[in-house]
Amino acid sequence: GAVVSQHPSRVICKSGTSVKIECRSLDFQATTMFWYRQFPKQSLMLMATSNEGSKATYEQGVEKDKFLINHASLTLSTLTVTSAHPEDSSFYICSARDRRIMNTEAFFGQGTRLTVV
Amino acid sequence: AQTVTQSQPEMSVQEAETVTLSCTYDTSESNYYLFWYKQPPSRQMILVIRQEAYKQQNATENRFSVNFQKAAKSFSLKISDSQLGDTAMYFCAFILGGSQGNLIFGKGTKLSVKP
Repeated sequence: GAVVSQHPSRVICKSGTSVKIECRSLDFQATTMFWYRQFPKQSLMLMATSNEGSKATYEQGVEKDKFLINHASLTLSTLTVTSAHPEDSSFYICSARDRRIMNTEAFFGQGTRLTVV
Repeated sequence: AQTVTQSQPEMSVQEAETVTLSCTYDTSESNYYLFWYKQPPSRQMILVIRQEAYKQQNATENRFSVNFQKAAKSFSLKISDSQLGDTAMYFCAFILGGSQGNLIFGKGTKLSVKP
């Protein structure tokens, strides 16, 4: 299957700083990528949909100024957690779908465990 | 709006035995796709199996098979000859046909395979 690479896999940052997470589709083009947050023992919660060349669409309750999403190319989307606080500590996962194939499954990155101290 | 329900938060099975995980969904559309994803302790999401709604035949992938009941809107996953490596969270997911949108996930079932 297609490969989605997400980096870093783990990051620890100080409260008040910003952290950038990258999501790359390695062998396919993805016009749309998705960013999820996952709390322990829970399902994936969609945060935002990242569209190449346009503004991201955020789910209700997700602060767009705090979680900045940039989708500059067909293979790269980034999530920046700005002015991070301990409550932002969580597991973040990206996924992408292959634009050439409708109805294909989503391919997921390895996830990023963010710890804000 | 479409919803996906997994009514079993946790299940356990003995190694080499068979286990079935339940999933129901709600939609008024006729063209859609269903998936089962596995999330092991590494937390990497792995596709286990997919089913196209227009196909009557149940999908099968080695030890994994589904029981797709379209009228009942049920999509259960059967794991045969369970192995220790099957221990994971299992998520049922849904997407409308022709959509480039996000998958809709159930809350997941934590499966533990015991030696």
